[in-house]
Amino acid sequence: TQLLEQSPQFLSIQEGENLTVYCNSSSVFSSLQWYRQEPGEGPVLLVTVVTGGEVKKLKRLTFQFGDARKDSSLHITAAQPGDTGLYLCAAYSQGGSEKLVFGKGTKLTVNP
Amino acid sequence: NAGVTQTPKFQVLKTGQSMTLQCAQDMNHNSMYWYRQDPGMGLRLIYYSASEGTTDKGEVPNGYNVSRLNKREFSLRLESAAPSQTSVYFCASRGQGLDTEAFFGQGTRLTVV
Repeated sequence: TQLLEQSPQFLSIQEGENLTVYCNSSSVFSSLQWYRQEPGEGPVLLVTVVTGGEVKKLKRLTFQFGDARKDSSLHITAAQPGDTGLYLCAAYSQGGSEKLVFGKGTKLTVNP
Repeated sequence: NAGVTQTPKFQVLKTGQSMTLQCAQDMNHNSMYWYRQDPGMGLRLIYYSASEGTTDKGEVPNGYNVSRLNKREFSLRLESAAPSQTSVYFCASRGQGLDTEAFFGQGTRLTVV
């Protein structure tokens, strides 16, 4: 079983629509990261959230860390075809471990 | 800016053959990681190394061995390849601190026939 559960697994929307993807766990994390991966490439970091309740904005992307630091969401406003990709959340296992684990990802397709 | 370099980019093996995937980083990072990526499965951690001379098992270590040769290099070895090991393999590295970014290589696409 994976430590991080992401939903939905697939999402296909039209340009201009809004969307939210979720990353949930039963564990508490000291920090959580979101990565984006394009076909044929390695993942690239979008953001790290550290404080419970924290909200970070990156242009049209809004990231939120749950108050209990067990879950996170990524909201995209007015999606564009360039947002198409695989969105992955990642976190370190408890106890200061260097073990970095990922969720299964949300594959987003934004149609023109 | 090389970052994380993986070799080879593509490889086809016959069942039972062995091979080593190479990874090197030039960012002076302490931690290095090997992941495999299969359709619908995200990235699954195979092994990681928190520092030179140490290695630890990840989520799916069976069938693999690793060597942290020095601070720069972290190799992944398949002693006897199986079709179930057909996957895309990614190496990553990151600096100290639980909020630092992991940098990934371009991946190795391995097919075992």
